[in-house]
Amino acid sequence: AQSVTQPDIHITVSEGASLELRCNYSYGATPYLFWYVQSPGQGLQLLLKYFSGDTLVQGIKGFEAEFKRSQSSFNLRKPSVHWSDAAEYFCAVGAGTGTASKLTFGTGTRLQVTL
Amino acid sequence: GAVVSQHPSRVICKSGTSVKIECRSLDFQATTMFWYRQFPKQSLMLMATSNEGSKATYEQGVEKDKFLINHASLTLSTLTVTSAHPEDSSFYICSASAGAWNTEAFFGQGTRLTVV
Repeated sequence: AQSVTQPDIHITVSEGASLELRCNYSYGATPYLFWYVQSPGQGLQLLLKYFSGDTLVQGIKGFEAEFKRSQSSFNLRKPSVHWSDAAEYFCAVGAGTGTASKLTFGTGTRLQVTL
Repeated sequence: GAVVSQHPSRVICKSGTSVKIECRSLDFQATTMFWYRQFPKQSLMLMATSNEGSKATYEQGVEKDKFLINHASLTLSTLTVTSAHPEDSSFYICSASAGAWNTEAFFGQGTRLTVV
C-alpha cells in the first residue's frame, strides 16, 4: 500500500527566508503527487501537482516542488516566505490502480512564520 | 476550475441524533466522490469511496452503518452520521472526481461536526 511521510511536524522560519518542506512517498508505480495547504478551520487549497513531464513543478503563491524518483521525494520550496504562508501543509499521493483522485495524505507540516 | 460545494460548513448536534452532510459538484459530473475525516491537528484519513449509482466502498475500520453514504446523482453525494456521539466530532471533507484514472479530485470546504 502507498504511504506518504512528512518528517517535519513543525517548522518555524523567519519572514523572507527560504522554505523547504520534505515529503517522501512509497508507491510501486509512478505516483500522482500533490501539495495542499490548509489554514486553521478551513478546507484544502491545492498548491501544485505532479502527474508527469517536467519534474520541477510550479504552483500558486510562489511555491514549487521537485519530483525526484531516485529519492522518492517531492519536496516543496519557496524562496521567500510571507507571514501569510503560516498554515498546515499536506503532501499527498494519488494511488490505487493508478488513480489520481483517491489520495493518501502525509501527516502534515505546520509552518510558523516569525516576523 | 472545478467547484465542489459542501454543506453545512459547521453543524452542532445532540448525541444520538443523525446529521447529513452534502457534497455537490457544481460545474462537472462527479462519477466518483471521496469522504475524508480529519481529527484535530491530524491528517486526513479516507473513509470511503462512492461511485454514482452504486454502494460505497469503505476503508478498513470505518463503520458503514454509522457513516451512511449515498451517491444518487452525478452531482451529489451525502454522508449521514447516524446516532452521532461526541467521538464522531471531527472535520469531514469530501472530494469529487470526474472519474478518469488521471483526473484529480477537487475538494469541498469541509464540515466541522460537533456532537454535544
